[in-house]
Amino acid sequence: DIVMTQSPLSRPVTPGESASISCRSSQSLLHSNGDNYLDWYVQKPGQSPQVLIYLGSNRASGVPDRFSGSGSGTDFTLKISRVEAEDVGVYYCMQPLLPPYTFGQGTKLEI
Amino acid sequence: QLRLQESGPGLVKPSETLSLTCIVSGGSISSSSSYWAWVRQSPGKGLEWIGRIFYSGDTYYNPSLGSRVTISVDTSKNRFSLKLTSVTAADTAVYYCVRVTRGIYYGLDVWGQGTTVTVSS
Repeated sequence: DIVMTQSPLSRPVTPGESASISCRSSQSLLHSNGDNYLDWYVQKPGQSPQVLIYLGSNRASGVPDRFSGSGSGTDFTLKISRVEAEDVGVYYCMQPLLPPYTFGQGTKLEI
Repeated sequence: QLRLQESGPGLVKPSETLSLTCIVSGGSISSSSSYWAWVRQSPGKGLEWIGRIFYSGDTYYNPSLGSRVTISVDTSKNRFSLKLTSVTAADTAVYYCVRVTRGIYYGLDVWGQGTTVTVSS
């Protein structure tokens, strides 16, 4: 299985500042079609996970442009600009390249 | 708007079979642009992919669960199901049914609310 490793596991933030979360995979997620098969999900308190970013850098429908994904191969970053109080939750990366799809351990973003 | 809703017993005895159903509403389970999957979340193991099914019945299961898992689909009732046999305390988790976009990939874009299953005698 592809192992996904996130850092940090906890990220205290102040509203208005930026925050970045790193995700590293044990093998390249770059598909031959040129897409990086790496998603980002957020699980807000008491809710199910929801997709933020798919294929490395594509924002899901309705996701504010404060969220951006970057990276290629084995190293990826989720950046949240101008953090808002509603952004608190646990952020997960996930690889949908090779089944079984695997998730990172999660990064808790807290105000 | 597509919605998924899990249902099933919240308590299962060790060695017995866990059975859950996911009702799909607001869309057809026979869509060629969807896989239907189960993901679970436990404190000890985080988010874990259980497996997925296409409406034709084509399945993929996480090898870590071996032969204990079966996912099936009922197109006439627009629902799919999960069976996990010989459960232990390690199978205690919140179970989510999920839509995985297929073809043009948009991620795991629809999740059910999740159902908590506890394995205990």
